[in-house]
Amino acid sequence: SAVISQKPSRDICQRGTSLTIQCQVDSQVTMMFWYRQQPGQSLTLIATANQGSEATYESGFVIDKFPISRPNLTFSTLTVSNMSPEDSSIYLCSVEGSGDSQETQYFGPGTRLLVL
Amino acid sequence: QKEVEQNSGPLSVPEGAIASLNCTYSDRVSQSFFWYRQYSGKSPELIMSIYSNGDKEDGRFTAQLNKASQYVSLLIRDSQPSDSATYLCAVRGGGGYQKVTFGTGTKLQVIP
Repeated sequence: SAVISQKPSRDICQRGTSLTIQCQVDSQVTMMFWYRQQPGQSLTLIATANQGSEATYESGFVIDKFPISRPNLTFSTLTVSNMSPEDSSIYLCSVEGSGDSQETQYFGPGTRLLVL
Repeated sequence: QKEVEQNSGPLSVPEGAIASLNCTYSDRVSQSFFWYRQYSGKSPELIMSIYSNGDKEDGRFTAQLNKASQYVSLLIRDSQPSDSATYLCAVRGGGGYQKVTFGTGTKLQVIP
């Protein structure tokens, strides 16, 4: 499976500010996924990011709140804009495997965000 | 009805026992099924994937799939304290590209 890294690993932010989370993969991948895991909850897909095209957002998530960049096949960023305490969550970057594992999703270590 | 349902637990089993984790899903055309383990404060890691009806074994883990009943389970034999974690069931739909939907997870506690 691909090796995925995320930065920052955690942050504490003030409401009204924005935070950009970076995701780096050690191999080229077509699609990258951004998930949110709120405290005590399961994973919710925010959006799917393809290189060279606009990200596809899931119901309940909008580009103005969660702008995504995908400048190349190994990197993506997710920005959490105009943050409120409700945005406190773990944000996870994910990619699909290759070959026999191409239907499987693998996750980065996550970014733990606390909004005060 | 939730798309992927799991009992949140906690499920407590003594060390050495068999832990049985269950999951039901609503999309009848789902094709791919996954179990992830998530330790507290960590990201999910894949344990098993299963695509066909029946059992699939990998070491102490056995995944079981019954598409007719829309049911998938994970058995952990000889449970160890290190197996204590939250186990997430994930399902990918069929027909072209489909996103993966995760259950809310079952917390497993293995008591020494």
